[in-house]
Amino acid sequence: NAGVTQTPKFRVLKTGQSMTLLCAQDMNHEYMYWYRQDPGMGLRLIHYSVGEGTTAKGEVPDGYNVSRLKKQNFLLGLESAAPSQTSVYFCASSYRGPSPRTDTQYFGPGTRLTVL
Amino acid sequence: AQSVAQPEDQVNVAEGNPLTVKCTYSVSGNPYLFWYVQYPNRGLQFLLKYITGDNLVKGSYGFEAEFNKSQTSFHLKKPSALVSDSALYFCAVRDIGQDTGGFKTIFGAGTRLFVKA
Repeated sequence: NAGVTQTPKFRVLKTGQSMTLLCAQDMNHEYMYWYRQDPGMGLRLIHYSVGEGTTAKGEVPDGYNVSRLKKQNFLLGLESAAPSQTSVYFCASSYRGPSPRTDTQYFGPGTRLTVL
Repeated sequence: AQSVAQPEDQVNVAEGNPLTVKCTYSVSGNPYLFWYVQYPNRGLQFLLKYITGDNLVKGSYGFEAEFNKSQTSFHLKKPSALVSDSALYFCAVRDIGQDTGGFKTIFGAGTRLFVKA
């Protein structure tokens, strides 16, 4: 199993450009998440999905959109990138256990995004 | 509101010595606590979690954590540190709020562990 994979690994954008980050998991996990990691702030939840075709807002959703058309893929889109979106983005997935609060999350290797 | 605090930005230990990485939490209700480790240029890896039961939780790579309800702490420990343990460690608590249905994980800011040979 490849686990959770993310593409691309690195990207540099100019302000106003758009891009899509792809997350894929081969563990048949029901739940998927997008986080951003900023220095001294840990990880913050952007959006998440509890199943194919469903998405929900997390802690810092503004400026981002997501889609989960297939169970194994979770896409994060930036329609008009801003310097404040310079960050490392992590995707995660988890198995649907008896309670989402007890699930273990499995993380991808991250995408380092710089917006100039 | 739930929160997690890691009071030390950095912890330095000598190889072979015991290590402790501190974490305190604030939740309303039962806490669901996790420790993750992040190696350079890698994603987070799960180490261990406390859901209920025994206060001493054993995890991967010889790590363990002690849940202390009265002190609202969940410190990560290892009896004998290795140079390869050098990494960034995150404590986390699962949110129990209604707005995100328990899917939100609140992470601490992270503690960088340096193990010197």
